[in-house]
Amino acid sequence: NAGVTQTPKFQVLKTGQSMTLQCAQDMNHEYMSWYRQDPGMGLRLIHYSVGAGITDQGEVPNGYNVSRSTTEDFPLRLLSAAPSQTSVYFCASSYRPLTGGGNNEQFFGPGTRLTVL
Amino acid sequence: GEDVEQSLFLSVREGDSSVINCTYTDSSSTYLYWYKQEPGAGLQLLTYIFSNMDMKQDQRLTVLLNKKDKHLSLRIADTQTGDSAIYFCAETATTGGFKTIFGAGTRLFVKA
Repeated sequence: NAGVTQTPKFQVLKTGQSMTLQCAQDMNHEYMSWYRQDPGMGLRLIHYSVGAGITDQGEVPNGYNVSRSTTEDFPLRLLSAAPSQTSVYFCASSYRPLTGGGNNEQFFGPGTRLTVL
Repeated sequence: GEDVEQSLFLSVREGDSSVINCTYTDSSSTYLYWYKQEPGAGLQLLTYIFSNMDMKQDQRLTVLLNKKDKHLSLRIADTQTGDSAIYFCAETATTGGFKTIFGAGTRLFVKA
């Protein structure tokens, strides 16, 4: 299994440009999430999905869109990039719902480092 | 709202024990986690503890949970240079739906 894969690893954008960060998992996980990691702030949840066709907003959704047409893929779209979106973006997937019974381990991709000039 | 707090840095000598501390606010937390992030990589689950447990031991790792004080700690025995990384405390909350709250991470430096 490849686990959770993300592309690209690095990206530089100009203010106002749009782009899509790709995320895919091959573990048949229903639950997928996007986080951003900023120094001293931990991980903040952007959007999440509990299954194909179902998405919802996290803590910091503004400026980002997601869709989930298949179980495997969960792309994150930046509509009009701003310098405040300079960050490292992590995609994660998990087998169980985070508030359900049982331990729920999240599997993280390697991250995409995005710089917006 | 829910919050998880950790100190940002810890430095220890190789062979010593490391103790990383975390406090959380949501009393409805069911599971608490420790994740490890090595440079340039994503997070990997190290260990977790269910909220009805006080302690969990896994080889060199010991997790202690004080529910009354909402305090979680991770002890790494015989710390090695390969343990140098950022360690994230996280909780799953039963309030507010599907989310895990992460702390800001503690960067562990291990000196040879």
